[in-house]
Amino acid sequence: AAGVIQSPRHLIKEKRETATLKCYPIPRHDTVYWYQQGPGQDPQFLISFYEKMQSDKGSIPDRFSAQQFSDYHSELNMSSLELGDSALYFCASSLYGRNQETQYFGPGTRLLVL
Amino acid sequence: DAKTTQPPSMDCAEGRAANLPCNHSTISGNEYVYWYRQIHSQGPQYIIHGLKNNETNEMASLIITEDRKSSTLILPHATLRDTAVYYCIVTYSNYQLIWGAGTKLIIKP
Repeated sequence: AAGVIQSPRHLIKEKRETATLKCYPIPRHDTVYWYQQGPGQDPQFLISFYEKMQSDKGSIPDRFSAQQFSDYHSELNMSSLELGDSALYFCASSLYGRNQETQYFGPGTRLLVL
Repeated sequence: DAKTTQPPSMDCAEGRAANLPCNHSTISGNEYVYWYRQIHSQGPQYIIHGLKNNETNEMASLIITEDRKSSTLILPHATLRDTAVYYCIVTYSNYQLIWGAGTKLIIKP
């Protein structure tokens, strides 16, 4: 079965640069979630979208923004990168409208800020 | 803050059943219990979830106590590939997942 696709899988940036992470949800899924996992830490929720509208917001820095497009893929834009942004970024997708939405995760993007 | 309590680590012999406990004494009536696992820096993998009744799928069984204040994830025949961090998460439908520290399960040959 098709899974969540994230690109790129690895990304190296310098401080103060920008980065764009992409997420392609499971076909027919309409909700996308972004999570950040720092080294040795547990995942932290950043933001989610349903039908191109932001549905929930977590600990996402103001330097980050995200959106969901008409084909349901999502992009996380990160500006003025800091060393502390080095982390794994996971995207998950689910199908809204049922009572038991399950989030399925992609393989993640490993971002290293130098 | 996470609403669950799990032991930080557990060992299990290969081929035996692994029973992972989780306490969620403040769970509300319409919150689900989800279990995910993460194998070293890979994307979290969904295992199973439930509301009130016990559930079973091809990966595991979930036993939820009648008062819903605790649950147990059972991997019936653990293999080395089941070594991972297992997360018990209590959440509403359509809601963000709030991750606790999880249980590091080590399967030993």
